[in-house]
Amino acid sequence: SQQGEEDPQALSIQEGENATMNCSYKTSINNLQWYRQNSGRGLVHLILIRSNEREKHSGRLRVTLDTSKKSSSLLITASRAADTASYFCATDSLGLPNTGNQFYFGTGTSLTVIP
Amino acid sequence: DTGVSQNPRHKITKRGQNVTFRCDPISEHNRLYWYRQTLGQGPEFLTYFQNEAQLEKSRLLSDRFSAERPKGSFSTLEIQRTEQGDSAMYLCASSQDRYGYTFGSGTRLTVV
Repeated sequence: SQQGEEDPQALSIQEGENATMNCSYKTSINNLQWYRQNSGRGLVHLILIRSNEREKHSGRLRVTLDTSKKSSSLLITASRAADTASYFCATDSLGLPNTGNQFYFGTGTSLTVIP
Repeated sequence: DTGVSQNPRHKITKRGQNVTFRCDPISEHNRLYWYRQTLGQGPEFLTYFQNEAQLEKSRLLSDRFSAERPKGSFSTLEIQRTEQGDSAMYLCASSQDRYGYTFGSGTRLTVV
């Protein structure tokens, strides 16, 4: 079962604009990760944020985590056509059956950046 | 070592046939995972190896599915008596610890 859910399902923006994607999850977590997937390819790890962190940056990426609301957001600034991809959040889970060796992925946000 | 390698990239098979996929992880990674992804969905966990030991299996991994990782190196995932519902992308990932998987490009299975 999916632990996370991304919002919106699809997002289309112009090159240079910022893109914000949100992820909501159901149970307590130790950490949350964001991945990117280009069409028909594997996933690429972008960033990990731990439950005791509120914000993290990596290049043009900014991730926030609000454990009280069980939600996270991924902001991509100054988007480029090459950012066109699907973006997934993934969490471990302290509630669902899990020994910490698997991650639960959301359903993804499909981002299109128009040149 | 250029990453996680999966073969074949695509596989079309007739219902009822057996198929086997291979994953070569990053050599220094002792953790290996198999996930399945259907269209429009996120990956779902199938199984996890630490070295050669298969430590976790999802309920998604029915009796028709078997995975191995002999000598803790490459891994194979076999599906016996394939069904149309098995059509999906099968993703392999490896990692040194619990965080930050490196995924392969996947094997896309189509059962006709």
